[in-house]
Amino acid sequence: QKEVEQDPGPLSVPEGAIVSLNCTYSNSAFQYFMWYRQYSRKGPELLMYTYSSGNKEDGRFTAQVDKSSKYISLFIRDSQPSDSATYLCAMSAKAAGNKLTFGGGTRVLVKP
Amino acid sequence: KAGVTQTPRYLIKTRGQQVTLSCSPISGHRSVSWYQQTPGQGLQFLFEYFSETQRNKGNFPGRFSGRQFSNSRSEMNVSTLELGDSALYLCASSLEGGSEKLFFGSGTQLSVL
Repeated sequence: QKEVEQDPGPLSVPEGAIVSLNCTYSNSAFQYFMWYRQYSRKGPELLMYTYSSGNKEDGRFTAQVDKSSKYISLFIRDSQPSDSATYLCAMSAKAAGNKLTFGGGTRVLVKP
Repeated sequence: KAGVTQTPRYLIKTRGQQVTLSCSPISGHRSVSWYQQTPGQGLQFLFEYFSETQRNKGNFPGRFSGRQFSNSRSEMNVSTLELGDSALYLCASSLEGGSEKLFFGSGTQLSVL
């Protein structure tokens, strides 16, 4: 079993809908949680960065972390066709520096 | 501000050869990390360098090595290439490397024939 599990999708939604993504993890040492967006043939782009449990909002993006359930979520409001990409969750432990453990990614398709 | 720059963008090599990939971090960033991305295994951590010292290492064979220069630029070397080394190799940088925000380059796509 992988340390970080993420549904590969594809997740297809109509333009304007809310996209809901999530990851589960098994390592209780993880304290830093990130969401990246990756377009084809490009590197991952950091969307959200959170520490410990709680919610964080940035524009159309909301990240939630529930450490008690080992579950993190990303919500994208008012989705656009340009949001079509692969979304990767990543996490790290405090002593791990920049050693991130990634989920496998969820492919999202936003249809006009 | 320029992002993380990786060269070359694409590489084709044959089995048994060696390859060197280059990474220039964001200006002012002192930590450089390398990741391998494949369809089967996803993104996996290779190693992290800070102040020219390897600070952390992933679970890869010794054929994978790296170094960092005094200007924070980094190189990654893979010796005795195998077919399974075909992947997108991503470099990422951060200010100091202590669980900070990590910014990725576009990667080097390596194909081993």
